[in-house]
Amino acid sequence: KQEVTQIPAALSVPEGENLVLNCSFTDSAIYNLQWFRQDPGKGLTSLLLIQSSQREQTSGRLNASLDKSSGRSTLYIAASQPGDSATYLCAVWDRGSTLGRLYFGRGTQLTVWP
Amino acid sequence: KAGVTQTPRYLIKTRGQQVTLSCSPISGHRSVSWYQQTPGQGLQFLFEYFSETQRNKGNFPGRFSGRQFSNSRSEMNVSTLELGDSALYLCASTHGLRENTEAFFGQGTRLTVV
Repeated sequence: KQEVTQIPAALSVPEGENLVLNCSFTDSAIYNLQWFRQDPGKGLTSLLLIQSSQREQTSGRLNASLDKSSGRSTLYIAASQPGDSATYLCAVWDRGSTLGRLYFGRGTQLTVWP
Repeated sequence: KAGVTQTPRYLIKTRGQQVTLSCSPISGHRSVSWYQQTPGQGLQFLFEYFSETQRNKGNFPGRFSGRQFSNSRSEMNVSTLELGDSALYLCASTHGLRENTEAFFGQGTRLTVV
């Protein structure tokens, strides 16, 4: 059974810092990996999708990498801003299941203070 | 294009009642998945529908059921509500066919059982 772990569970940093959020998964047989952002009480916003054949994906100040063989992904946030404060969730599409199910980590709660 | 629409946004129900939640996916998407999110358990997979058929199911009691209509809209029903059913219910929309698919979530329905 696929299990996804995110470290750290919480992070509090001053504005301007570069951040690294970590995600690990137990079964490397995945289709792809997706990073989401969730604001309190809201739905999930897709940030980046990394296909299984890719090593990284970039969008603005965000860069995500994927190492399937080691079961790890990293989300890098450059020059953090207070508006980046949210919970960041990592999820994988598992080849052992149908396409309809994502396996989620518990998230990293990020606070960026001015 | 329009995003994923969930209705209603908020619900308050009494123990023992039943409730129906609705999810309209992105136009052209044929797969709808449902997740329950609680502070203690994180995001848990309920079930997934593709072309009106349940394709995948999580470990929830039979009180939780769903269906999908020919226009891909989906509903989930919870009967005999318990206090522990209080949660944010999220639905995700994907193409459902391609390996390298991206999931888009709605804003969720906040269910409170009193």
